[in-house]
Amino acid sequence: AQSVTQLDSQVPVFEEAPVELRCNYSSSVSVYLFWYVQYPNQGLQLLLKYLSGSTLVKGINGFEAEFNKSQTSFHLRKPSVHISDTAEYFCAVSVLQGGKLIFGQGTELSVKP
Amino acid sequence: DGGITQSPKYLFRKEGQNVTLSCEQNLNHDAMYWYRQDPGQGLRLIYYSQIVNDFQKGDIAEGYSVSREKKESFPLTVTSAQKNPTAFYLCAVSEGVVHEQYFGPGTRLTVT
Repeated sequence: AQSVTQLDSQVPVFEEAPVELRCNYSSSVSVYLFWYVQYPNQGLQLLLKYLSGSTLVKGINGFEAEFNKSQTSFHLRKPSVHISDTAEYFCAVSVLQGGKLIFGQGTELSVKP
Repeated sequence: DGGITQSPKYLFRKEGQNVTLSCEQNLNHDAMYWYRQDPGQGLRLIYYSQIVNDFQKGDIAEGYSVSREKKESFPLTVTSAQKNPTAFYLCAVSEGVVHEQYFGPGTRLTVT
């Protein structure tokens, strides 16, 4: 069975600093990987996805993530965060054949001035 | 969201009453999903449907029911058997194979 672990439940950071939100997954088969963002009292918005090809994936709002198969990780990064990036971020994994999306527990990013 | 409508945004009910949450989509996607979100617990899958007139239980289906009579609609009923129904409910859709899901704005249900 697949599982997703987001290693930090809360990440506080100052504005304009870099940030990394960590995500590890376990699966015995090939997977698709996703990062979503959720602002308070809203639905989830897709930030980026890895399906195949280049392991460095760029998404919206200046975020990027790197797929590392050997370490089964898909960490999300941004070189300089803004106050508006304050939100909850979810990592998710899906297998190629018939699988459902499995979500991590979420990481709350808090950007302070 | 965009193309996925959930109504109402906030819903209040008395304990013991059934309540139905609406989810409508105009994206023409085959698969639809219902999730429940509680603080600190991420998203948990309640039910999903890959095609009209067919649906499967997710991880926490007890106390919930669904129907899929039309491609664009997937209503969720929270029954009085659900022990702790107060939560934020999210509907999602996907084209199927890739499993990239798009989410609606959510309905916050409060039962007192």
